[in-house]
Amino acid sequence: DIQMTQSPSSVSASVGDRVTITCQASQDVNTWLAWYQQKPGKAPRLLIQTASTLQSGVPSRFSGSGSGTHFTLTVSSLQPEDFATYYCQQADSFPLTFGGGTKVEIK
Amino acid sequence: VDLVESGGGVVQPGGSLRLSCAASGFPFSTYGMHWVRQAPGKGLEWVAFIRYDGTKEYNADSVKGRFTISRDNSKNTLYLQLNSLTTEDTAMYYCAKDDFGNHGESWGQGAQVTVSS
Repeated sequence: DIQMTQSPSSVSASVGDRVTITCQASQDVNTWLAWYQQKPGKAPRLLIQTASTLQSGVPSRFSGSGSGTHFTLTVSSLQPEDFATYYCQQADSFPLTFGGGTKVEIK
Repeated sequence: VDLVESGGGVVQPGGSLRLSCAASGFPFSTYGMHWVRQAPGKGLEWVAFIRYDGTKEYNADSVKGRFTISRDNSKNTLYLQLNSLTTEDTAMYYCAKDDFGNHGESWGQGAQVTVSS
């Protein structure tokens, strides 16, 4: 199985900050990588698929990059509604696997 | 896209439960579907996937031999049969629509399964 390692596990940031979350795969997943946002008590929301393709309706301050085993999710200017937990997920092969999550908290 | 899970509840260890996910707003028979779960205070865990036509399923090792994913395209409904439940299966169970990329494009609101004596 492909292991997905996210870092940091939590980050404290202020509105307007640039935040970067990294995700490392235990083997090459090409660009088969998705990012989700989840707020407390809510279902996850797909933000980015195939490493860098923004889903319709997702603000352009979100961006994704990477290929192979190393990926990043960047929020260029954090907004109040962006405080949430973010997960990466490899979509290369079954069983699909998620990273452990990164909680973005208000500083 | 609207996905509505049902069938959750409290069950004793060793018991069984069947979750349903009613789909609407898209051609259900054209898309693969996932189940993903989240234990209280924990991260997301992918559980199972079924192809659009039901001809192939994939399962997480943690549920293999105990959980069965299925679908009825005539009813636009996805199912997850949960057998031999343990306390480790306590979680919110989400169904999610795939969009040909092995990820969850749209998600339901979840169904809570609690395994407790």
